[in-house]
Amino acid sequence: AQKITQTQPGMFVQEKEAVTLDCTYDTSDQSYGLFWYKQPSSGEMIFLIYQGSYDEQNATEGRYSLNFQKARKSANLVISASQLGDSAMYFCAMTGNYGGSQGNLIFGKGTKLSVKP
Amino acid sequence: KAGVTQTPRYLIKTRGQQVTLSCSPISGHRSVSWYQQTPGQGLQFLFEYFSETQRNKGNFPGRFSGRQFSNSRSEMNVSTLELGDSALYLCASSLVVAPPKNIQYFGAGTRLSVL
Repeated sequence: AQKITQTQPGMFVQEKEAVTLDCTYDTSDQSYGLFWYKQPSSGEMIFLIYQGSYDEQNATEGRYSLNFQKARKSANLVISASQLGDSAMYFCAMTGNYGGSQGNLIFGKGTKLSVKP
Repeated sequence: KAGVTQTPRYLIKTRGQQVTLSCSPISGHRSVSWYQQTPGQGLQFLFEYFSETQRNKGNFPGRFSGRQFSNSRSEMNVSTLELGDSALYLCASSLVVAPPKNIQYFGAGTRLSVL
């Protein structure tokens, strides 16, 4: 069965420093997508970054980059130059396989990131 | 461009009642998915609609149902509410892109409390 594991329930980082949020996944699919979302206390899930299983280069979106190691089945999120507004829950997700049809998401339990001034 | 809009933002119901939640997707998005988020179970996929048809379904009882209208707006309904249905219900919309690159954009959610 497909699964996403985030082993860090909570993390602290100093403002302006970089931080890595861990994510490992398990799937038997050859083609899959990996995603990171941010959820502030308001509840809205904000899409951050996407990585396809066949993409050879690691994805980057502004201060966000995804460290994709396919053999290790890991998809860690790196946030550079942390800002106070980065304090939130972060979820790793992958495309799920529902009855042979892909597209919807399986989420990890999340990591709560707190940025200290 | 407006994002995904969910109404209402908050709801309080009692056990046994039914509830309907509404979701308006991003303009041009034809796929709408629903998720339930609870502290215990985390985020779980409920179902997905595309062109007014349910395309995928998660592992939830039949009390949870949904529909999609011709303008892509979607509603989900929960009948005979139970205390365990208290959750944040999130709706997401996406362009129809071949999986796995199906980026979903979420609304702010409807927080349902069942008393």
